[in-house]
Amino acid sequence: EAQVTQNPRYLITVTGKKLTVTCSQNMNHEYMSWYRQDPGLGLRQIYYSMNVEVTDKGDVPEGYKVSRKEKRNFPLILESPSPNQTSLYFCASSFGRVGEKLFFGSGTQLSVL
Amino acid sequence: DQQVKQNSPSLSVQEGRISILNCDYTNSMFDYFLWYKKYPAEGPTFLISISSIKDKNEDGRFTVFLNKSAKHLSLHIVPSQPGDSAVYFCAASETGSGYALNFGKGTSLLVTP
Repeated sequence: EAQVTQNPRYLITVTGKKLTVTCSQNMNHEYMSWYRQDPGLGLRQIYYSMNVEVTDKGDVPEGYKVSRKEKRNFPLILESPSPNQTSLYFCASSFGRVGEKLFFGSGTQLSVL
Repeated sequence: DQQVKQNSPSLSVQEGRISILNCDYTNSMFDYFLWYKKYPAEGPTFLISISSIKDKNEDGRFTVFLNKSAKHLSLHIVPSQPGDSAVYFCAASETGSGYALNFGKGTSLLVTP
């Protein structure tokens, strides 16, 4: 089944403790991206990657890191999480052509205490 | 600066009636528009799209209308069903600017029996 898999679904952590949210897709997509969803703010892009070893900042990259060492994986790294990073995170992927629909993962609800 | 705006945070419609969700954009270079639907605890899923060379696209009960001169698009759902209750996101992209999808903040649709 074609899908984007994120783990974990729920995560509670404390300020400053490094964490990684994993994302994997099985559709051979070139393009992958991370979004965060916050009440009243909709979906905002954090980082995206057009292909392996190519990453770029989205609208809200501060406090996040990503890497794209393999085509299928695109982990999101929070080196020193802070409470304002409490949010619902979505990974997405596509073939990267304009108008191509994005496939989203089921989301990761992160709480930073 | 929000380039895609969904000015109605919520909408309530009776089952069987028409639901009209609106979206405005400010960037005249946008040439592809997509609607996504999101249920609680799930990732957004693609619903319907339209390119700027068209003014209407239809898929079953869902129709998207594009008015380029007004920089406005709308999603019509006819007839509305309780299962359509979800958050709907409008998104837009511009050929030549990478693959950035600009999302609106979403409209929560409630279809009542």
